[in-house]
Amino acid sequence: AQSVSQHNHHVILSEAASLELGCNYSYGGTVNLFWYVQYPGQHLQLLLKYFSGDPLVKGIKGFEAEFIKSKFSFNLRKPSVQWSDTAEYFCAVNALDNAGNMLTFGGGTRLMVKP
Amino acid sequence: KAGVTQTPRYLIKTRGQQVTLSCSPISGHRSVSWYQQTPGQGLQFLFEYFSETQRNKGNFPGRFSGRQFSNSRSEMNVSTLELGDSALYLCASSAEPGDEKLFFGSGTQLSVL
Repeated sequence: AQSVSQHNHHVILSEAASLELGCNYSYGGTVNLFWYVQYPGQHLQLLLKYFSGDPLVKGIKGFEAEFIKSKFSFNLRKPSVQWSDTAEYFCAVNALDNAGNMLTFGGGTRLMVKP
Repeated sequence: KAGVTQTPRYLIKTRGQQVTLSCSPISGHRSVSWYQQTPGQGLQFLFEYFSETQRNKGNFPGRFSGRQFSNSRSEMNVSTLELGDSALYLCASSAEPGDEKLFFGSGTQLSVL
């Protein structure tokens, strides 16, 4: 079975600071990787995804993530955060042999951006 | 286009009771999956349905069950409720299983007293 670990539970940054949220997974096979975001009072929504190809993927709102297969990592980055990025961020994996949408989520990272 | 609709929004039950939660996927979406979210365990996969068939099931006891109807609407049922079943239950839909994007509903907040 796969598992996902997010290293930081809470992150506090000032506006314009750079962001990197760590995500590591354990699974020996091929996976699809996702970052979801939950803004206060809103639904979980997809931020970005990696299926194959270029390991550096770009998502909405200036976010990007890099898949490093050798490290089983899929870290989320943003060069300059804004107050509106305050949210909870979830890393998730879907093992391809599931043949469906059986996501395993990390524990989430709460990001607070101070104006 | 309406999003994923979950009803009810809040539920309060007592131990030993049973509960049924409902999910209406986005129009045209045929895959529905359910997740349990708690502060301690985070988001955990419950099950996924497609074409009225359960495709995947998470590591939950048999008290947790679900079904999908021909119009893709889904229900999940929890019998003999326990205090630990208190959680936010999220439904997500996608066009097909393995689709790249899940659309989540707002969830049903279940409190078991």
